Amino acid sequence: GAVVSQHPSRVICKSGTSVKIECRSLDFQATTMFWYRQFPKQSLMLMATSNEGSKATYEQGVEKDKFLINHASLTLSTLTVTSAHPEDSSFYICSAGGGGMNTEAFFGQGTRLTVV
Amino acid sequence: AQSVTQPDIHITVSEGASLELRCNYSYGATPYLFWYVQSPGQGLQLLLKYFSGDTLVQGIKGFEAEFKRSQSSFNLRKPSVHWSDAAEYFCAVSSASKIIFGSGTRLSIRP
Repeated sequence: GAVVSQHPSRVICKSGTSVKIECRSLDFQATTMFWYRQFPKQSLMLMATSNEGSKATYEQGVEKDKFLINHASLTLSTLTVTSAHPEDSSFYICSAGGGGMNTEAFFGQGTRLTVV
Repeated sequence: AQSVTQPDIHITVSEGASLELRCNYSYGATPYLFWYVQSPGQGLQLLLKYFSGDTLVQGIKGFEAEFKRSQSSFNLRKPSVHWSDAAEYFCAVSSASKIIFGSGTRLSIRP
């Protein structure tokens, strides 16, 4: 299957700083990527749909000014957690594909964010 | 609205025993169904998928799943589990714009 690379795998940052997470599709072009958040022992919660060349679509309850998404090319989407707080600590996962019928999603390895 | 239900939060089976993980979905049209596995601190790996055709689908690592439209189910099975199968398993359905995940079932293996 296709390969999606997510970086970094782990990051620790101080409260009030911003953190950028990258999601790359290595062997295919992805017009749409997805960002999920996963709390311990829970399922994946879709945060937003990242659309190449246009604004991201955020799920209800997700602050778009806090979780900035940029999808400037067909192989890269970034999620920036701005002014991070300890409650933003979580596991963030991106995926490419899976946004339509008869398509499969390919997931990155995830990023463990810890805000101290 | 589309939804996926995994009624079992945690299952423990003995190594070598058979396994069935339950999944029920709610979707108005023909569903596109998936099973993913997640090891701790890792991303998701696709085990198998159903788009159309044969309702019994084979996946990787010896897993299979059967789509039953009349029961709105897509249960995952394996005839003999291995200790390495201990992980979190997610059932998912694909809608027109996104994938919806169930809450997951944690599988533990008893030696």
